[in-house]
Amino acid sequence: DAGITQSPRHKVTETGTPVTLRCHQTENHRYMYWYRQDPGHGLRLIHYSYGVKDTDKGEVSDGYSVSRSKTEDFLLTLESATSSQTSVYFCAISGLGTENSPLHFGNGTRLTVT
Amino acid sequence: GENVEQHPSTLSVQEGDSAVIKCTYSDSASNYFPWYKQELGKGPQLIIDIRSNVGEKKDQRIAVTLNKTAKHFSLHITETQPEDSAVYFCAASQNTNAGKSTFGDGTTLTVKP
Repeated sequence: DAGITQSPRHKVTETGTPVTLRCHQTENHRYMYWYRQDPGHGLRLIHYSYGVKDTDKGEVSDGYSVSRSKTEDFLLTLESATSSQTSVYFCAISGLGTENSPLHFGNGTRLTVT
Repeated sequence: GENVEQHPSTLSVQEGDSAVIKCTYSDSASNYFPWYKQELGKGPQLIIDIRSNVGEKKDQRIAVTLNKTAKHFSLHITETQPEDSAVYFCAASQNTNAGKSTFGDGTTLTVKP
């Protein structure tokens, strides 16, 4: 798992509540990413980070925010969860970023919004 | 933006046979093409990748080919084994940030013993 821990692994929440997912890495990698995986849609990039306090939007960022106050932690927040955000969320890291460096994924957080 | 199409969505083969999964991409600026394998309950794991200056790459039973002109690349698995059963994803990205990948929708490979 390349030293990536996602928490929680499973969460059920109600529509309209805030939710924060955590990604913790022990690899000291600069680049971190949040993807969501939905049946028939592969993986889609939500947000990513180039370093501490340096983040940017991905393909499907609406309704999500992120924060990175330390190199090892990347938080994904759903300010007001909706049923369309029911998904499996994967955190990923890469070592170099400016070169062709593959992604290393965590084992995911399964989020259900009721 | 980039668009990656992956075919087939499901593939069933007999143990020992070969399996081929194909992807096409739209952005000619893409130059890095990894393949990931995802087992149930886990995150995707890189199994092989290819860069645009290479036409083919092999790693034991796995090979990837790239046709830049046609904008397609393929994963070939030979002598398939039951443990090859998983979901496979192709992806495309540019050199500037390989983590900003566009993924195909995945292929569920089943290898029957």
